[in-house]
Amino acid sequence: QVQLQESGPGLVKPSQTLSLTCTVSGGSISSGSYYWSWIRQPAGKGLEWIGRIYTSGSTNYNPSLKSRVTISVDTSKNQFSLKLSSVTAADTAVYYCARGSSYGDYGYWGQGTLVTVSS
Amino acid sequence: QSVLTQPPSVSGAPGQRVTISCTGSSSNIGAGYDVHWYQQLPGTAPKLLIYGNSNRPSGVPDRFSGSKSGTSASLAITGLQAEDEADYYCQSYDSSPPVVFGGGTKLTVL
Repeated sequence: QVQLQESGPGLVKPSQTLSLTCTVSGGSISSGSYYWSWIRQPAGKGLEWIGRIYTSGSTNYNPSLKSRVTISVDTSKNQFSLKLSSVTAADTAVYYCARGSSYGDYGYWGQGTLVTVSS
Repeated sequence: QSVLTQPPSVSGAPGQRVTISCTGSSSNIGAGYDVHWYQQLPGTAPKLLIYGNSNRPSGVPDRFSGSKSGTSASLAITGLQAEDEADYYCQSYDSSPPVVFGGGTKLTVL
């Protein structure tokens, strides 16, 4: 059974860079036709897709965040990561990592991690 | 404002049938792209409920069903139970960004 777990600081200062890592267990991040995504959810609001990466290294980002987002993958550690620069309070949210399938759905999600942007 | 439009809330009594709509456009659902549905219980991560418009992952009760027509999709829940009280999200593909979600629908079991 594939499991995903987010990790990283829960508090980030404004203008700094938010960095999160998602560790995948129960299967190789390189196997199968999957992609690996970050999705966030501000408190009381809906889901916002941030971006995705294929193990080939190919990425797609939400245009609303593209100038600030970098997603990378480390297949040797079975991990993928998110960096979001120049954060503001509007970036405060629960951040989820998830695995996307060839159908386009997300069948596996991490439990989510709350990141608060505050000085 | 979400690319896919869902009603903010729906409600129903135990045992009843409720439907949640997801309205898109010619660039996403209307273009033939699949719709997926998620259930999010309070304080938890979303859980895949329906994939590929109408398919249920293993373990999802057959009380949940999905359909798609034109630029819209629907999630139907029959035999409503108290444990179904949650937020529900639809998701599909679009040109940019390639993954879009609906704004979510809060289901209240009366």
